[in-house]
Amino acid sequence: DADVTQTPRNRITKTGKRIMLECSQTKGHDRMYWYRQDPGLGLRLIYYSFDVKDINKGEISDGYSVSRQAQAKFSLSLESAIPNQTALYFCATSDPGPAQETQYFGPGTRLLVL
Amino acid sequence: AQSVAQPEDQVNVAEGNPLTVKCTYSVSGNPYLFWYVQYPNRGLQFLLKYITGDNLVKGSYGFEAEFNKSQTSFHLKKPSALVSDSALYFCAVRDRGSTLGRLYFGRGTQLTVWP
Repeated sequence: DADVTQTPRNRITKTGKRIMLECSQTKGHDRMYWYRQDPGLGLRLIYYSFDVKDINKGEISDGYSVSRQAQAKFSLSLESAIPNQTALYFCATSDPGPAQETQYFGPGTRLLVL
Repeated sequence: AQSVAQPEDQVNVAEGNPLTVKCTYSVSGNPYLFWYVQYPNRGLQFLLKYITGDNLVKGSYGFEAEFNKSQTSFHLKKPSALVSDSALYFCAVRDRGSTLGRLYFGRGTQLTVWP
């Protein structure tokens, strides 16, 4: 969905490096989410934010941090990357209004930690 | 606690045959239910949702799903499968009474439609 963009689309890094994944949206939604997808495990929630001043941990937040710089921007950081953080990362947005929490996903960032 | 089960990792059907992708859920209250599809190298795309009303929900690309409260199921169906339907399908649930708004996803079912 072009309304939710993620950069980079692919990234290779080394163990111990700090990296940042960025997400931007033009949908005007207040709520934003970061997920990781692993084969056979589905999507697991890392962090979510209901507005610029609201940040919440998801089910697998250890080793990750986030920053909500503006309504439209939500960044995910790996402070010291490790190989088991190799995964496909998705950003999503939603609107708590009449759309009843339908989430809209970005194209994903494929991360490989060596 | 909320959870979603997709009992089949993989579903294979011939083009033109009906398809079903199964989903059962567990929530503490009443659910909002969703189906998403993921094509290769793409993000998840919304297919359909059940919020209230008619238990049979129609969505994109000819898909439909039936909410069955007694069986806590929300199976995805299509009367006639296409090769282009081949993708990874995710069921998701949200507790209607929750203020958190987060979705819980199943592990996904890989649908393969062969010519």
